[in-house]
Amino acid sequence: DGGITQSPKYLFRKEGQNVTLSCEQNLNHDAMYWYRQDPGQGLRLIYYSQIVNDFQKGDIAEGYSVSREKKESFPLTVTSAQKNPTAFYLCASSIDVGTAASEQYFGPGTRLTVT
Amino acid sequence: GQSLEQPSEVTAVEGAIVQINCTYQTSGFYGLSWYQQHDGGAPTFLSYNALDGLEETGRFSSFLSRSDSYGYLLLQELQMKDSASYFCAVRVTGGFKTIFGAGTRLFVKA
Repeated sequence: DGGITQSPKYLFRKEGQNVTLSCEQNLNHDAMYWYRQDPGQGLRLIYYSQIVNDFQKGDIAEGYSVSREKKESFPLTVTSAQKNPTAFYLCASSIDVGTAASEQYFGPGTRLTVT
Repeated sequence: GQSLEQPSEVTAVEGAIVQINCTYQTSGFYGLSWYQQHDGGAPTFLSYNALDGLEETGRFSSFLSRSDSYGYLLLQELQMKDSASYFCAVRVTGGFKTIFGAGTRLFVKA
């Protein structure tokens, strides 16, 4: 089955520790995205990547880092510099269709709690 | 700046029709998309308007008016399972950056 997987579903960390969230897709999509969602709020873009070895900052990139060494993988590291990391993190992917927008396929999300 | 505005909550009765509005401020975008998200779940794509006008997909329809910087999602024959959050989103021209609205929580009552 094609889709996007994120692991783990729940993650607990102590303040001051870096943590890496996994995102893998087998849809052969070019573009991948990381969003943060806080309770009762919308999705805010952290980073996005159009092709391998290239990625761009979104609206709230501070305290986060990403890599895109393979087309199917786009891991997100939440660093200790992120002031309020507890949130629901969603990874998504989409086909590169040039100037036309295409739907984004989302993974099941990782709920990160930092204490 | 770039932003999308949606009502925070809408309540409707089972079997009724409900309209969720989205007004936006953005310098340029390819089209307006709508996503549904149930509590604790991932957003799923519902519809996309590249051009002005109405797009219909089963019980769901979506509308876009670029001249009015406005769009809406129309849900007909509401069912209890339609209770969820609905987000409008745009992909900004010149790249892959996508902006989402804060979402509208729809409550469907029996």
